[in-house]
Amino acid sequence: DTEVTQTPKHLVMGMTNKKSLKCEQHMGHRAMYWYKQKAKKPPELMFVYSYEKLSINESVPSRFSPECPNSSLLNLHLHALQPEDSALYLCASSQRQGSYEQYFGPGTRLTVT
Amino acid sequence: GENVEQHPSTLSVQEGDSAVIKCTYSDSASNYFPWYKQELGKRPQLIIDIRSNVGEKKDQRIAVTLNKTAKHFSLHITETQPEDSAVYFCAAKNNNAGNMLTFGGGTRLMVKP
Repeated sequence: DTEVTQTPKHLVMGMTNKKSLKCEQHMGHRAMYWYKQKAKKPPELMFVYSYEKLSINESVPSRFSPECPNSSLLNLHLHALQPEDSALYLCASSQRQGSYEQYFGPGTRLTVT
Repeated sequence: GENVEQHPSTLSVQEGDSAVIKCTYSDSASNYFPWYKQELGKRPQLIIDIRSNVGEKKDQRIAVTLNKTAKHFSLHITETQPEDSAVYFCAAKNNNAGNMLTFGGGTRLMVKP
């Protein structure tokens, strides 16, 4: 399996809802990433996990809470989001943090109403 | 930190013509330069990359060149086809930035049949 998968593909949530995004890879990669991408902009790094430990948090608001239950799974828990948080949320993985190739999942299109 | 600038922001070419997209980076410590293609509504896909110990790399119709002295790198697509239409992002990886990728602003390439 040479793919990063993400669920759900689309998510609409209200500002008081709690939801989670899921990411999975079975390539044996030990680094996993969350990015946020707004329309017509490049991906913006949010979090990095290395060997299931949070390695980098790019000053992301606490309404976004990442979790890495095991080496294949990465979650992003969402709570009390704002309409400006609407974006495409991309997961990526690489062999190790800082490894050359990063592979992206298809993303979750999130709309906050 | 690293800063990557990408030009042009939009590029329109006739099918069969060549397309060139240019990026400059600021930190001479950057050592890896990938290019991603993102079709509308899809994930960024790694199409070619180059490491700092190489000046040029080619893969069929696409090539990347790197000038470390001038701190710029370019993507060249020859014999463009309509399916090359997409947004292209360059990036630079820098050991001083936690080995993370810094992306350019993106180029929307339109290939007219």
